[in-house]
Amino acid sequence: DAKTTQPPSMDCAEGRAANLPCNHSTISGNEYVYWYRQIHSQGPQYIIHGLKNNETNEMASLIITEDRKSSTLILPHATLRDTAVYYCIVRHGSGNTGKLIFGQGTTLQVKP
Amino acid sequence: SQTIHQWPATLVQPVGSPLSLECTVEGTSNPNLYWYRQAAGRGLQLLFYSVGIGQISSEVPQNLSASRPQDRQFILSSKKLLLSDSGFYLCACPRGGGGTYNEQFFGPGTRLTVL
Repeated sequence: DAKTTQPPSMDCAEGRAANLPCNHSTISGNEYVYWYRQIHSQGPQYIIHGLKNNETNEMASLIITEDRKSSTLILPHATLRDTAVYYCIVRHGSGNTGKLIFGQGTTLQVKP
Repeated sequence: SQTIHQWPATLVQPVGSPLSLECTVEGTSNPNLYWYRQAAGRGLQLLFYSVGIGQISSEVPQNLSASRPQDRQFILSSKKLLLSDSGFYLCACPRGGGGTYNEQFFGPGTRLTVL
């Protein structure tokens, strides 16, 4: 699976959009981009995933560049409860293992 | 909808003692199951995964072992705990049980402290 690079930490003001970047320059054509987050002392929570088109759900939006070498997770109106570690993961969609390889992620601190 | 149960929630064990952590899944059949560990201040590390009863794959050499005695039961064990086994242990399962495209759900975790 392709390796990802994320900034170790970011701050965001409450109510503003949080834009979390991820570089995955070695991504291959059949690899998906997944985002999870982990709030302190809890298990990771799935947020969103995509292949090449931008995706949006009730939690966030995922913007993938045309060359697919980077992506951005957007939390449109960050709240204090969005403070967490955010993980960007690239993996094959097909296959019988489905395992996730976590990096260090980005610690997002939402401030009042 | 599927639910992942883990127990115990917390555990304090002396060095050299045995370990057994249990994970059970409801709401799906023949699921892929995963054990992850998160050491204090570190990221999540995949330890084992299983695609069926009796089928275990180990991702890293370690002091732990895993077993899958039943379809929806996944057990993490050790014969003699080390201090380095301390951490937050998480069991995971893909939505619908399968690995293709599907996001993974994680259980509530077991926090293990080895003294």
